[in-house]
Amino acid sequence: DGGITQSPKYLFRKEGQNVTLSCEQNLNHDAMYWYRQDPGQGLRLIYYSQIVNDFQKGDIAEGYSVSREKKESFPLTVTSAQKNPTAFYLCASSTRLVGSGGVTDTQYFGPGTRLTVL
Amino acid sequence: EDKVVQSPLSLVVHEGDTVTLNCSYEVTNFRSLLWYKQEKKAPTFLFMLTSSGIEKKSGRLSSILDKKELSSILNITATQTGDSAIYLCAASRSNTGKLIFGQGTTLQVKP
Repeated sequence: DGGITQSPKYLFRKEGQNVTLSCEQNLNHDAMYWYRQDPGQGLRLIYYSQIVNDFQKGDIAEGYSVSREKKESFPLTVTSAQKNPTAFYLCASSTRLVGSGGVTDTQYFGPGTRLTVL
Repeated sequence: EDKVVQSPLSLVVHEGDTVTLNCSYEVTNFRSLLWYKQEKKAPTFLFMLTSSGIEKKSGRLSSILDKKELSSILNITATQTGDSAIYLCAASRSNTGKLIFGQGTTLQVKP
């Protein structure tokens, strides 16, 4: 079955630690995204990547880092520089529009990782 | 600054009621408006609207875009407890692939 997987489902981090959240997709999508969701705030974009070996900062990139070495994988590292990392993290992907070079607007989401800082 | 605003932020109704959720946007180079339903984890895609005035329907859910008013509504008729969820609205900018999300509307349907 095609889809997006995220692991782990729950993650606990001590202050000062870096942690890495996994996101894998087998939809053959070119673009991948990381969002953060806090209660009452909707989704905010952290980083996105439209193609392998390239990624851009979103609206709240400070304290986070990503890599895109393979098309199907887009891991997110939450560093100790992120002041308030406790949140629900969602990964998404989208495919390329035929002929235009751009990506489609419809993004498909993974099940999320809930990160808690102890 | 681009923004998307949803209203109401929360809503409690009884089974069988009809609800209307609102979404307004101010987005540079707007391309489309998307609705998602989030029940506990992954948001699931409902509709994408690009043309003004054309209603999209899926069962008891329908949605329409008004580009003149920079807004969209999502209607749910004959609500059921399974409709309880957060409904997210997002606007896209041309050629970037980026979505700007609203805060979400939390709908609770009571038996």
